[in-house]
Amino acid sequence: SYVLTQPPSLSVAPGETARIPCGENNIGSKSVQWYQQKPGQAPVLVIYSDSDRPSGIPGRFSGSNSGNTATLTITGVEAGDEADYYCQVWDTGSDRVVFGGGTKVTVL
Amino acid sequence: QMQLQESGPGLVKPSETLSLTCSVSGGSISSYHWSWVRKPAGRGLEWVGNLYYSGSTHYNPSLKSRVTISRDTSKNRLSLILTSVTAADTAVYYCATYYGGSGFDYWGQGTLVSVSS
Repeated sequence: SYVLTQPPSLSVAPGETARIPCGENNIGSKSVQWYQQKPGQAPVLVIYSDSDRPSGIPGRFSGSNSGNTATLTITGVEAGDEADYYCQVWDTGSDRVVFGGGTKVTVL
Repeated sequence: QMQLQESGPGLVKPSETLSLTCSVSGGSISSYHWSWVRKPAGRGLEWVGNLYYSGSTHYNPSLKSRVTISRDTSKNRLSLILTSVTAADTAVYYCATYYGGSGFDYWGQGTLVSVSS
């Protein structure tokens, strides 16, 4: 089955750049979404279709997708960016929506 | 701005049936695709299934035999039924709008369901 691999955790200092990978064979051929989830809150879509930002999402959030890795980049990380981040695709092989295991981003 | 609100019993006994409702305001339930997504404590997000505006459904193969998603257009709400629940079904359940290749946009705040005797 299709498994999206994310590192469990990532620490970054304020003002620096966080890069969160999401890996799977040939993920570059799929449309990838990214969600931010803070404790006790619903997920928020921050990137769709690999690199598009929904209205209201800051320009500090960007996405890319090529080959076997999709990446969410947060430039100039702020304390408020501390959250869990999940990647997501539709896997045609298993005919289902698949989420990555999530990456907990800690702002030092 | 569309708003979604999940509701249902917070506690369900093992082997019984979980039934949740998602009330929608600010948009017609017939005009969108809908999904249920759940998050067990300490684990990641898991897709439960979709209801398309055509009325057709698509379920996670791992839950397919136990899941039914439906809608009541007169009340503008979405429903989830999960039968024969076990402790593994304990999770926060979210309803959300689904945009196919563009993911899940609007989300409810979620409702916690615990399966325990």
